[in-house]
Amino acid sequence: ETGVTQTPRHLVMGMTNKKSLKCEQHLGHNAMYWYKQSAKKPLELMFVYNFKEQTENNSVPSRFSPECPNSSHLFLHLHTLQPEDSALYLCASSQELAVTYEQYFGPGTRLTVT
Amino acid sequence: AQSVTQLDSQVPVFEEAPVELRCNYSSSVSVYLFWYVQYPNQGLQLLLKYLSGSTLVKGINGFEAEFNKSQTSFHLRKPSVHISDTAEYFCAVSAGEYGNKLVFGAGTILRVKS
Repeated sequence: ETGVTQTPRHLVMGMTNKKSLKCEQHLGHNAMYWYKQSAKKPLELMFVYNFKEQTENNSVPSRFSPECPNSSHLFLHLHTLQPEDSALYLCASSQELAVTYEQYFGPGTRLTVT
Repeated sequence: AQSVTQLDSQVPVFEEAPVELRCNYSSSVSVYLFWYVQYPNQGLQLLLKYLSGSTLVKGINGFEAEFNKSQTSFHLRKPSVHISDTAEYFCAVSAGEYGNKLVFGAGTILRVKS
Protein backbone atom coordinates (compact mmCIF):
# COMPACT_ATOMS: atom_id res chain seq x y z
CA GLU A 1 0.00 0.00 0.00
CA THR A 2 1.20 3.48 -0.77
CA GLY A 3 0.06 6.96 0.20
CA VAL A 4 -2.99 7.36 2.41
CA THR A 5 -5.56 4.58 2.60
CA GLN A 6 -9.02 4.66 4.14
CA THR A 7 -11.39 1.88 5.06
CA PRO A 8 -14.16 1.23 4.51
CA ARG A 9 -14.75 3.14 1.29
CA HIS A 10 -18.52 3.06 1.81
CA LEU A 11 -20.52 2.77 5.02
CA VAL A 12 -24.24 2.78 5.69
CA MET A 13 -25.26 2.96 9.32
CA GLY A 14 -28.36 3.53 11.35
CA MET A 15 -28.65 6.38 13.81
CA THR A 16 -28.16 4.04 16.79
CA ASN A 17 -25.15 2.17 15.41
CA LYS A 18 -21.52 2.48 16.42
CA LYS A 19 -18.89 2.26 13.70
CA SER A 20 -15.31 3.35 13.09
CA LEU A 21 -13.48 4.79 10.11
CA LYS A 22 -9.83 3.92 9.67
CA CYS A 23 -7.05 5.88 8.03
CA GLU A 24 -3.48 4.72 7.49
CA GLN A 25 -0.62 6.65 5.96
CA HIS A 26 2.46 4.95 4.53
CA LEU A 27 4.44 8.15 4.05
CA GLY A 28 6.23 8.52 7.38
CA HIS A 29 4.34 11.72 8.14
CA ASN A 30 3.85 13.21 11.60
CA ALA A 31 0.58 15.13 11.19
CA MET A 32 -2.84 13.69 10.34
CA TYR A 33 -6.21 15.29 9.68
CA TRP A 34 -9.91 14.45 9.41
CA TYR A 35 -12.07 16.48 7.02
CA LYS A 36 -15.79 16.35 6.26
CA GLN A 37 -16.94 16.94 2.68
CA SER A 38 -20.68 17.52 2.38
CA ALA A 39 -22.52 18.11 -0.87
CA LYS A 40 -22.52 21.76 -1.96
CA LYS A 41 -20.40 22.82 1.05
CA PRO A 42 -16.69 23.59 1.43
CA LEU A 43 -14.42 21.01 2.94
CA GLU A 44 -14.50 21.31 6.73
CA LEU A 45 -11.52 20.53 8.94
CA MET A 46 -12.61 18.39 11.89
CA PHE A 47 -9.52 17.27 13.80
CA VAL A 48 -5.75 17.63 13.59
CA TYR A 49 -3.16 15.40 15.21
CA ASN A 50 0.55 16.10 15.42
CA PHE A 51 2.85 13.36 16.75
CA LYS A 52 -0.28 11.55 18.07
CA GLU A 53 -1.43 14.60 20.04
CA GLN A 54 -4.66 16.35 19.12
CA THR A 55 -3.95 19.96 18.23
CA GLU A 56 -7.26 20.99 16.72
CA ASN A 57 -10.89 20.16 17.37
CA ASN A 58 -12.96 22.37 15.12
CA SER A 59 -16.08 22.41 17.34
CA VAL A 60 -17.02 18.91 16.25
CA PRO A 61 -19.99 17.26 18.04
CA SER A 62 -19.05 14.61 20.59
CA ARG A 63 -20.74 11.88 18.55
CA PHE A 64 -17.50 11.97 16.53
CA SER A 65 -14.56 10.67 18.55
CA PRO A 66 -11.08 10.60 17.01
CA GLU A 67 -8.23 8.34 18.03
CA CYS A 68 -4.61 8.45 16.96
CA PRO A 69 -2.68 5.50 18.45
CA ASN A 70 0.48 6.28 16.47
CA SER A 71 1.64 8.62 13.71
CA SER A 72 0.56 6.18 10.98
CA HIS A 73 -3.00 5.47 12.04
CA LEU A 74 -6.03 7.63 12.64
CA PHE A 75 -9.53 6.50 13.54
CA LEU A 76 -12.87 8.26 13.67
CA HIS A 77 -15.33 6.53 16.00
CA LEU A 78 -18.96 7.24 15.22
CA HIS A 79 -22.01 6.80 17.46
CA THR A 80 -25.62 8.01 17.45
CA LEU A 81 -25.12 9.96 14.26
CA GLN A 82 -27.70 12.15 12.56
CA PRO A 83 -28.77 12.05 8.90
CA GLU A 84 -26.99 15.38 8.34
CA ASP A 85 -23.73 13.62 9.17
CA SER A 86 -23.95 11.80 5.84
CA ALA A 87 -20.91 12.96 3.87
CA LEU A 88 -17.53 11.99 2.47
CA TYR A 89 -14.96 11.81 5.27
CA LEU A 90 -11.43 12.46 4.12
CA CYS A 91 -8.22 11.73 5.93
CA ALA A 92 -4.99 13.54 5.13
CA SER A 93 -1.42 13.59 6.35
CA SER A 94 1.58 15.89 6.05
CA GLN A 95 5.24 15.61 6.96
CA GLU A 96 4.99 18.32 9.58
CA LEU A 97 2.29 20.62 10.92
CA ALA A 98 3.23 23.65 8.84
CA VAL A 99 1.75 25.20 5.76
CA THR A 100 4.87 24.61 3.70
CA TYR A 101 4.25 20.85 3.84
CA GLU A 102 1.77 19.39 1.37
CA GLN A 103 -1.23 17.52 2.70
CA TYR A 104 -1.79 14.13 1.08
CA PHE A 105 -5.37 12.94 1.01
CA GLY A 106 -6.91 9.50 1.09
CA PRO A 107 -9.83 8.54 -1.18
CA GLY A 108 -12.39 9.03 1.57
CA THR A 109 -15.16 7.05 3.22
CA ARG A 110 -18.66 7.74 1.88
CA LEU A 111 -20.92 7.63 4.95
CA THR A 112 -24.69 7.38 4.74
CA VAL A 113 -26.71 7.66 7.95
CA THR A 114 -30.22 6.23 7.71
CA ALA B 1 -10.68 34.95 9.84
CA GLN B 2 -9.94 33.77 6.34
CA SER B 3 -12.50 32.83 3.73
CA VAL B 4 -12.42 31.66 0.13
CA THR B 5 -14.94 32.31 -2.62
CA GLN B 6 -14.92 30.30 -5.81
CA LEU B 7 -17.00 32.34 -8.17
CA ASP B 8 -18.21 29.56 -10.45
CA SER B 9 -19.77 26.32 -9.27
CA GLN B 10 -19.44 24.74 -12.73
CA VAL B 11 -17.38 25.61 -15.79
CA PRO B 12 -18.10 23.80 -19.07
CA VAL B 13 -15.42 24.06 -21.74
CA PHE B 14 -14.53 22.32 -24.96
CA GLU B 15 -11.40 20.23 -25.27
CA GLU B 16 -8.27 22.20 -26.24
CA ALA B 17 -9.87 25.50 -25.20
CA PRO B 18 -8.32 27.66 -22.46
CA VAL B 19 -9.92 27.80 -19.03
CA GLU B 20 -9.80 30.03 -15.97
CA LEU B 21 -11.22 29.02 -12.60
CA ARG B 22 -11.68 32.00 -10.33
CA CYS B 23 -10.83 32.24 -6.65
CA ASN B 24 -11.01 35.21 -4.30
CA TYR B 25 -9.94 35.17 -0.69
CA SER B 26 -10.19 37.38 2.34
CA SER B 27 -7.67 37.51 5.10
CA SER B 28 -6.29 40.15 7.38
CA VAL B 29 -2.79 38.74 7.34
CA SER B 30 -0.33 37.32 4.88
CA VAL B 31 -1.67 34.23 3.21
CA TYR B 32 -0.58 31.06 1.58
CA LEU B 33 -2.76 29.89 -1.31
CA PHE B 34 -3.40 26.47 -2.81
CA TRP B 35 -5.30 24.75 -5.59
CA TYR B 36 -6.34 21.12 -5.19
CA VAL B 37 -8.03 18.80 -7.69
CA GLN B 38 -10.40 15.96 -6.90
CA TYR B 39 -11.10 13.34 -9.55
CA PRO B 40 -14.24 11.20 -9.18
CA ASN B 41 -14.06 8.76 -6.28
CA GLN B 42 -10.64 10.00 -5.22
CA GLY B 43 -9.18 12.25 -2.56
CA LEU B 44 -7.74 15.70 -3.18
CA GLN B 45 -4.39 16.18 -4.91
CA LEU B 46 -2.29 19.33 -4.73
CA LEU B 47 -2.03 21.14 -8.10
CA LEU B 48 0.06 24.11 -7.01
CA LYS B 49 0.72 26.48 -4.15
CA TYR B 50 1.82 30.03 -3.50
CA LEU B 51 3.90 30.60 -0.38
CA SER B 52 6.05 33.57 -1.37
CA GLY B 53 8.15 34.93 -4.24
CA SER B 54 6.98 35.01 -7.83
CA THR B 55 3.28 35.69 -8.14
CA LEU B 56 2.96 33.33 -11.12
CA VAL B 57 2.97 29.78 -9.90
CA LYS B 58 3.24 26.75 -12.14
CA GLY B 59 1.83 23.41 -11.09
CA ILE B 60 1.27 19.91 -12.36
CA ASN B 61 -0.65 18.93 -15.49
CA GLY B 62 0.03 22.26 -17.20
CA PHE B 63 -1.91 24.40 -14.71
CA GLU B 64 -0.74 27.76 -13.42
CA ALA B 65 -2.13 30.41 -11.09
CA GLU B 66 -1.40 34.05 -10.42
CA PHE B 67 -1.46 35.62 -6.99
CA ASN B 68 -2.88 39.13 -7.13
CA LYS B 69 -2.67 40.79 -3.75
CA SER B 70 -4.49 43.96 -4.72
CA GLN B 71 -7.40 41.98 -6.16
CA THR B 72 -7.16 39.31 -3.40
CA SER B 73 -7.39 36.70 -6.12
CA PHE B 74 -5.65 33.46 -7.05
CA HIS B 75 -7.17 32.37 -10.35
CA LEU B 76 -6.24 29.03 -11.90
CA ARG B 77 -5.57 28.80 -15.63
CA LYS B 78 -4.73 26.26 -18.28
CA PRO B 79 -4.13 27.23 -21.92
CA SER B 80 -5.53 24.02 -23.41
CA VAL B 81 -7.64 21.53 -21.48
CA HIS B 82 -8.05 17.79 -22.01
CA ILE B 83 -10.95 15.49 -21.31
CA SER B 84 -8.90 14.08 -18.43
CA ASP B 85 -8.98 17.47 -16.69
CA THR B 86 -12.67 16.92 -15.89
CA ALA B 87 -12.73 17.07 -12.10
CA GLU B 88 -13.60 19.32 -9.17
CA TYR B 89 -11.10 22.02 -8.27
CA PHE B 90 -10.73 23.56 -4.83
CA CYS B 91 -9.02 26.78 -3.86
CA ALA B 92 -7.71 26.97 -0.28
CA VAL B 93 -6.04 29.55 1.93
CA SER B 94 -3.94 29.27 5.04
CA ALA B 95 -2.85 32.13 7.21
CA GLY B 96 0.65 31.69 8.49
CA GLU B 97 -0.02 31.90 12.19
CA TYR B 98 -2.63 29.13 12.02
CA GLY B 99 -0.08 26.50 11.15
CA ASN B 100 -1.34 24.10 8.54
CA LYS B 101 -5.05 24.86 8.87
CA LEU B 102 -6.55 25.14 5.39
CA VAL B 103 -9.82 26.92 4.62
CA PHE B 104 -11.37 25.64 1.40
CA GLY B 105 -13.70 27.15 -1.14
CA ALA B 106 -16.87 25.32 -2.20
CA GLY B 107 -15.26 23.96 -5.34
CA THR B 108 -15.63 24.41 -9.10
CA ILE B 109 -16.57 21.49 -11.31
CA LEU B 110 -14.70 21.65 -14.60
CA ARG B 111 -16.46 19.72 -17.37
CA VAL B 112 -14.42 19.27 -20.51
CA LYS B 113 -16.48 18.35 -23.56
CA SER B 114 -15.26 16.82 -26.80
